Amino acid sequence: QVQLVESGGGEVQPGRSLRLSCVVSGFTFSDYAMHWVRQAPGKGLEWVAFISYDGRRTQYADSVKGRFTISRDTFRNTLYLQMNSLRTEDTAVYYCAKEGALYCSGGKCYPFEYWGQGTLVTVSS
Amino acid sequence: QSVLTQPPSVSGAPGQRVIISCTGSRSNIGADHDVHWYQHLPGTAPKLLIYGNRNRPSGVPDRFSGSKSGTSASLAITGLQAEDEADYYCQSYDSGLNGWVFGGGTKLTVL
Repeated sequence: QVQLVESGGGEVQPGRSLRLSCVVSGFTFSDYAMHWVRQAPGKGLEWVAFISYDGRRTQYADSVKGRFTISRDTFRNTLYLQMNSLRTEDTAVYYCAKEGALYCSGGKCYPFEYWGQGTLVTVSS
Repeated sequence: QSVLTQPPSVSGAPGQRVIISCTGSRSNIGADHDVHWYQHLPGTAPKLLIYGNRNRPSGVPDRFSGSKSGTSASLAITGLQAEDEADYYCQSYDSGLNGWVFGGGTKLTVL
């Protein structure tokens, strides 16, 4: 079965860096795009970053652009999120998500098909 | 302020029907981007509930249904059960922002 397991969260001071990892299994990692999504305490879900199946295309939310970098390692079946210049407002549970390619009316659609359990990042002085 | 607007909360008694709305704009739902719905229990992985506006993944009961019209979408839950108590999120893509967007989430309480 499909599994996504995040790690690397923790408490860090503002301005510092952290790298999150997401190890996946149960599907061919190199065939699917991946995302990071976060949820701040008491808030809703917020999309953070996207990477295409082959790693050639990335997109970022404006709130993290220039500070966060998404990447992937096919050989390790692992998705990464390098977070630099962290701010208190980056405090959240970070989820990795596999983008599906499902048949819908009119063609294919691409929901966040499977999610990990999340890893907590706390940015505090 | 979320790009997609959902009511913060809805409630219903067991067996009743509730509808959760998701209002967007011409750059997301109105631009013919698909709407997907997720069920989220705090501390767990969000779960895909409806994809492509109205399709259910295998294993999701047919008590859950989705629809879309113009710049809005809706999630309907019939025959409410206690286990349905959770947060529900709509999600789409926004061409203006060049990114994926979520609604603010709706907390469903089963009375």
